[in-house]
Amino acid sequence: GAGVSQSPSNKVTEKGKDVELRCDPISGHTALYWYRQSLGQGLEFLIYFQGNSAPDKSGLPSDRFSAERTGGSVSTLTIQRTQQEDSAVYLCASSLVGGLMGGTEAFFGQGTRLTVV
Amino acid sequence: KNEVEQSPQNLTAQEGEFITINCSYSVGISALHWLQQHPGGGIVSLFMLSSGKKKHGRLIATINIQEKHSSLHITASHPRDSAVYICAVARNRDDKIIFGKGTRLHILP
Repeated sequence: GAGVSQSPSNKVTEKGKDVELRCDPISGHTALYWYRQSLGQGLEFLIYFQGNSAPDKSGLPSDRFSAERTGGSVSTLTIQRTQQEDSAVYLCASSLVGGLMGGTEAFFGQGTRLTVV
Repeated sequence: KNEVEQSPQNLTAQEGEFITINCSYSVGISALHWLQQHPGGGIVSLFMLSSGKKKHGRLIATINIQEKHSSLHITASHPRDSAVYICAVARNRDDKIIFGKGTRLHILP
């Protein structure tokens, strides 16, 4: 596609339920990032995929969060047993190589607004 | 202390004013980016810098590696420039991306 696509755009879920958020990066981009932005807060790094390397999961806030990237393309961020503090906008970005550190531009999706009630 | 600090946090200015947003960082970096987040939440990358200065239209970004400081300037500001501007660095010891908390800019007509 023309840009990074995320789905759903909005998700309201009950506390304790599991949710899956999807990111379709730009075709050919090897690097994919997940971030979240809580209300009024800055961007928080969650996880980074680069090609076939083991992902950098150092930003995941708890073991309820996991992400996978199938075939080096689509990525799914899964939050198990959601809590109210998980409410945030979850953003995905992709870039050709190495994202910001590789010196190439990163392209962001429009985000998924998750509300846990 | 955050590794990336932006100032000011909030800025309101009149249309036409010259705008400066500052970013200071405390780590060694391989690159610095300025990002723009629109009110709807979408983010676009404005500049990637590793040295010197870049210009795109009314936007100018500078970086001083020795002083660990970057500035984003907007000339002849316009209400459509209203957005959150975010500074992000790639930390060179582990390639981790670190974001500033952003500067919320509001340009009044």
